[in-house]
Amino acid sequence: DSGVTQTPKHLITATGQRVTLRCSPRSGDLSVYWYQQSLDQGLQFLIQYYNGEERAKGNILERFSAQQFPDLHSELNLSSLELGDSALYFCASSAHIGGNTGELFFGEGSRLTVL
Amino acid sequence: GIQVEQSPPDLILQEGANSTLRCNFSDSVNNLQWFHQNPWGQLINLFYIPSGTKQNGRLSATTVATERYSLLYISSSQTTDSGVYFCAVAGAGGTSYGKLTFGQGTILTVHP
Repeated sequence: DSGVTQTPKHLITATGQRVTLRCSPRSGDLSVYWYQQSLDQGLQFLIQYYNGEERAKGNILERFSAQQFPDLHSELNLSSLELGDSALYFCASSAHIGGNTGELFFGEGSRLTVL
Repeated sequence: GIQVEQSPPDLILQEGANSTLRCNFSDSVNNLQWFHQNPWGQLINLFYIPSGTKQNGRLSATTVATERYSLLYISSSQTTDSGVYFCAVAGAGGTSYGKLTFGQGTILTVHP
């Protein structure tokens, strides 16, 4: 158990819909990261938050947004869903001490299927 | 951004065999991690090893940061070692800072 909790584990929805994925980081970790794993693109970095603020952005679509709340949990919102958004979405967290991100720990992922 | 290349892409072993997986990266890093993705999709941390050598049971890893590569050794492989092994790195600065860039993985299959 990595200590990172993601919900839901599985989600099936239709094209055009909107979903929210939730992540609770390990206790004490200030940084949260979101990754997407698809068959054709591999594991892709989407976005990073540090203590409530956006820190780094990857190949995240404009239809996707995220935020980190004061209690440090994070949500990834996916809207106007397309078939190609079907993927495994991972959240990770790290302690981020002294300017170094440190070791990242990953949750079990949320498997999204868009029909 | 930083590039990560893993080899071999696929590896098939008999139980009990040893193997070496390689990860090459294109720039200086301040984070390098090895993960095992099991058949259920979970990413299991194996090593956090931006430099040096570490061992954990039958697994060990070495990163030579100056030459920009890392090696993962698996000894006396077991069927439960099957899965995908990923190397991931974070660059030492600039736009690479913070985010892990993953290689494409090595698919390991261990037969009984």
